[in-house]
Amino acid sequence: KNEVEQSPQNLTAQEGEFITINCSYSVGISALHWLQQHPGGGIVSLFMLSSGKKKHGRLIATINIQEKHSSLHITASHPRDSAVYICAVTGNQFYFGTGTSLTVIP
Amino acid sequence: EAQVTQNPRYLITVTGKKLTVTCSQNMNHEYMSWYRQDPGLGLRQIYYSMNVEVTDKGDVPEGYKVSRKEKRNFPLILESPSPNQTSLYFCASSPVERGYGYTFGSGTRLTVV
Repeated sequence: KNEVEQSPQNLTAQEGEFITINCSYSVGISALHWLQQHPGGGIVSLFMLSSGKKKHGRLIATINIQEKHSSLHITASHPRDSAVYICAVTGNQFYFGTGTSLTVIP
Repeated sequence: EAQVTQNPRYLITVTGKKLTVTCSQNMNHEYMSWYRQDPGLGLRQIYYSMNVEVTDKGDVPEGYKVSRKEKRNFPLILESPSPNQTSLYFCASSPVERGYGYTFGSGTRLTVV
């Protein structure tokens, strides 16, 4: 069973494109996280959301608690955005999606 | 610099030889946790700790032990490693207050032969 589902699994975009990654979850949560993992393997926490919307630079994260759905948007994408983006939720435990591999081509 | 430090970064060991992966944070965070990451399965939580002397099982605790004797340290112990524990391991910490994200260590790539 997958408590957290992400789509798409893989995404290739041209530099400058607007990108959306989706995340749906099936458990009760206290918070939803978006993480970024670069090819070197390190993980960075981008956002932690429990409601509404957050923005940081070109990244925007939204969450709809009723629909159990979150989206991560990247505006004006750049090759340095190429990474795996992981959605995770915290409730009784920490559940992770399997990630979306994003490649931004110059 | 605020960080979570894991050691070692890479480790190759043999089946059955006890090992410890260390994790230390300098942010006075209450919450610490361990994860393993495997291709096709993503990240899975092994153990977590809400504070000193308080630990609990995550999704995949079998074959692992942890301890939290001090707030800053949360070592992961494999008493008798097996090849199916070959994986990439991450430690993370956070404050328990809502609104704060997690800080991850750089990862430990473990190979058990």
